[in-house]
Amino acid sequence: NAGVMQNPRHLVRRRGQEARLRCSPMKGHSHVYWYRQLPEEGLKFMVYLQKENIIDESGMPKERFSAEFPKEGPSILRIQQVVRGDSAAYFCASSPPSKGRHEQFFGPGTRLTVL
Amino acid sequence: GNSVTQMEGPVTLSEEAFLTINCTYTATGYPSLFWYVQYPGEGLQLLLKATKADDKGSNKGFEATYRKETTSFHLEKGSVQVSDSAVYFCALSEGGSNYKLTFGKGTLLTVNP
Repeated sequence: NAGVMQNPRHLVRRRGQEARLRCSPMKGHSHVYWYRQLPEEGLKFMVYLQKENIIDESGMPKERFSAEFPKEGPSILRIQQVVRGDSAAYFCASSPPSKGRHEQFFGPGTRLTVL
Repeated sequence: GNSVTQMEGPVTLSEEAFLTINCTYTATGYPSLFWYVQYPGEGLQLLLKATKADDKGSNKGFEATYRKETTSFHLEKGSVQVSDSAVYFCALSEGGSNYKLTFGKGTLLTVNP
């Protein structure tokens, strides 16, 4: 039973480039969460998606960041015109659709470095 | 809003020592509480959880009890091993229709042989 998959594991971008981070949830999971971990900080919630819907994006920066979870394929977190402050580890988590299930399963993360 | 405050690290212990990592929270309603563990270079793994007051979560010798009166969820283990060296995160979720997690800053634990 494959866990949550994220790719790439490491991504290097120059300032001004675009970064695309992919997350494939566990089989049967229809809820996806993205979190950002800055150096020596805890994880901060960014966005919560279900298939084809953004449920809660209260943690997303207003500009340059977007997320989607299409009907087919992985969830994508997109960062346009990256800046050095975007350097962080980005974690995706998924959970099953049934109510009352609180547990989120995390992927290994994508470590983004902006030069 | 919701917040989680956990003991600042790093914590360094000898093998077989007793471990406590304090965690307190602020939340509206009745959140669920979690401890996650992160090994170097890896993602987070759920260690244990409690979904209502007075529940005790336990796993791999770790325990934590949901204390509503003190808004706490302290992590304990009676005898740590070198393999327990990792970063430990306390977290909560409001539940309802949105299970987003609010995390503490993490506590680095190093266990020496």
